[in-house]
Amino acid sequence: AQKITQTQPGMFVQEKEAVTLDCTYDTSDQSYGLFWYKQPSSGEMIFLIYQGSYDEQNATEGRYSLNFQKARKSANLVISASQLGDSAMYFCAMSSSNTGKLIFGQGTTLQVKP
Amino acid sequence: DVKVTQSSRYLVKRTGEKVFLECVQDMDHENMFWYRQDPGLGLRLIYFSYDVKMKEKGDIPEGYSVSREKKERFSLILESASTNQTSMYLCASSLGQFPVRGYTFGSGTRLTVV
Repeated sequence: AQKITQTQPGMFVQEKEAVTLDCTYDTSDQSYGLFWYKQPSSGEMIFLIYQGSYDEQNATEGRYSLNFQKARKSANLVISASQLGDSAMYFCAMSSSNTGKLIFGQGTTLQVKP
Repeated sequence: DVKVTQSSRYLVKRTGEKVFLECVQDMDHENMFWYRQDPGLGLRLIYFSYDVKMKEKGDIPEGYSVSREKKERFSLILESASTNQTSMYLCASSLGQFPVRGYTFGSGTRLTVV
């Protein structure tokens, strides 16, 4: 069965520091996609970054980078130079080529301290 | 930009009522998804569809059904609403399974069943 696990229910980070949000996944698919979303208190789901299973380079989007370790089945999100506006819930998600599903982890609440 | 519109932001329904949640996307996406979001559980997939009149069960389909008569519209139906279906419901769409710009989400419908 496919599964996404986010083991950190809540995280704190000081403004301007970097933070890593953990995500591990379980799948028997060879082809899959990994996504990170941000959900602020307003409730909207904001796409941050995408990593394909065959991509050799780690994905980067501005201050966001995805630390993709395929053998360990991990896809951690790194946010550099945290800002107060980064305080939100963060979700890791995976899409499967076999099932067509997009499944999510439980989420991590990040709070950025001034 | 792709837009996914959910017809209601807030809904209050009585136990036993038949409830329709509507989702419309405007960019010809073939894939559409319905999730419910509950604290500590993340987003859980209810149903998804990869084409008109096609539907697939997600991880928690019990108590729900769906309809996709037109490509742009994906409806979630609660045949007989119960209090344990009180939740935030999110609709998403995508072009393909591995969209590099992510899946697009609606703003959500917060359903309360009393």
